[in-house]
Amino acid sequence: GQNIDQPTEMTATEGAIVQINCTYQTSGFNGLFWYQQHAGEAPTFLSYNVLDGLEEKGRFSSFLSRSKGYSYLLLKELQMKDSASYLCAVRRGTASKLTFGTGTRLQVTL
Amino acid sequence: DTGVSQDPRHKITKRGQNVTFRCDPISEHNRLYWYRQTLGQGPEFLTYFQNEAQLEKSRLLSDRFSAERPKGSFSTLEIQRTEQGDSAMYLCASSQGLGYEQYFGPGTRLTVT
Repeated sequence: GQNIDQPTEMTATEGAIVQINCTYQTSGFNGLFWYQQHAGEAPTFLSYNVLDGLEEKGRFSSFLSRSKGYSYLLLKELQMKDSASYLCAVRRGTASKLTFGTGTRLQVTL
Repeated sequence: DTGVSQDPRHKITKRGQNVTFRCDPISEHNRLYWYRQTLGQGPEFLTYFQNEAQLEKSRLLSDRFSAERPKGSFSTLEIQRTEQGDSAMYLCASSQGLGYEQYFGPGTRLTVT
């Protein structure tokens, strides 16, 4: 089976930096995805890591350590519109499906 | 192409009724997925198609659930004899292939009364 853990809620201030962690336990790891989901809307793709290291895309970066079963999503220069749930998802082997964590609800405050 | 579309966006039905949802993926995507999401949880995988072939079904998918993708384009998800526990958001996603991200549609919110 797979076990994916994320903090349930986080709060951060507009303009600040926030790091959302995700730990996972799975055999046959083959990629980790981060999605953003605003309330009542569909998840939207943010990033994909399959090799160790940092992937940077604008204000968002994602890091992966396969040996530690650990990833984080880093959001810089936070804006109010970044208030959303952030979902970590793992792909296993050649399976197409993604297994999602429960998501981290981020609240950005003034 | 504006992305994955789903119809209807909302469905309220009485327990015991059958419901059918439709998903139209991004046109060049050959993989199509169905997920279910309840409040405060991440999406749970239900089933996926590569072209018209249904390649995997979750153990969560009881025999009341059936999905089709007859021509390898749009897909339908039918739930027979709905139960209150079926109330959820049903999400469809598509991708170009295994190594690519999945793009999600807006979902169909099902409420079973």
